[in-house]
Amino acid sequence: DIQMTQSPSTLSASVGARVNITCRASQTIDTWLAWYQQKPGKAPKLLIYKTSYLEIGVPSRFSGSLSGTEFTLTISSLQPDDFAIYYCQQYNSYPYTFGQGTRLEIK
Amino acid sequence: QVQLVQSGAEVKKPGASVKVSCKASGFPFTTYFFHWVRQAPGQGLEWMGIINPTDVTTTYAQKFQGRVTMTSDTSTTTVYMELSNLTSEDTAVYYCVRAGFDPWGQGTLVTVSS
Repeated sequence: DIQMTQSPSTLSASVGARVNITCRASQTIDTWLAWYQQKPGKAPKLLIYKTSYLEIGVPSRFSGSLSGTEFTLTISSLQPDDFAIYYCQQYNSYPYTFGQGTRLEIK
Repeated sequence: QVQLVQSGAEVKKPGASVKVSCKASGFPFTTYFFHWVRQAPGQGLEWMGIINPTDVTTTYAQKFQGRVTMTSDTSTTTVYMELSNLTSEDTAVYYCVRAGFDPWGQGTLVTVSS
């Protein structure tokens, strides 16, 4: 199985800050990577697919990129609604696997 | 609108089975595959498998092979996930998800307790 390693596990930041969450895969996954946001008691919400494509309706302050083997989710200017848990997921091969999650907290 | 509506919470005893339903609406049911993903309390997301509702072909995560069965009913646009031989480690919220990972169902809490 492909292991997805996310960092950091927890991130404290202020409203208006720019933050990056990274994800590495244990094997090549091409660009088959998605990012999700999850709030307490709710289902995950798809933010980005295929590394950098923004899901319809997702604010443009969210972006995704790939550099070498490191995938990054960037939030350019944190808003109060952005404090949540974020997960990456590879869908290059079965079983699809998720990162362990990054909890984004208010500083 | 496009949505997936799942069945309600379940409480099961160890060794029992549970069957969760997921009714799709607002889009052509047979043109999409469906995933099942679960999340134990306070834990991350775990992919369980995928079903093609048209021909009922499935791919399961090896961890669940032999215990999980995914089925579909095109007449009611519903997919099902049955998990057998439950243990306390199967206590989780179970989600159905349309291929493309959007939308997600609202989740079904399955609690396994003696």
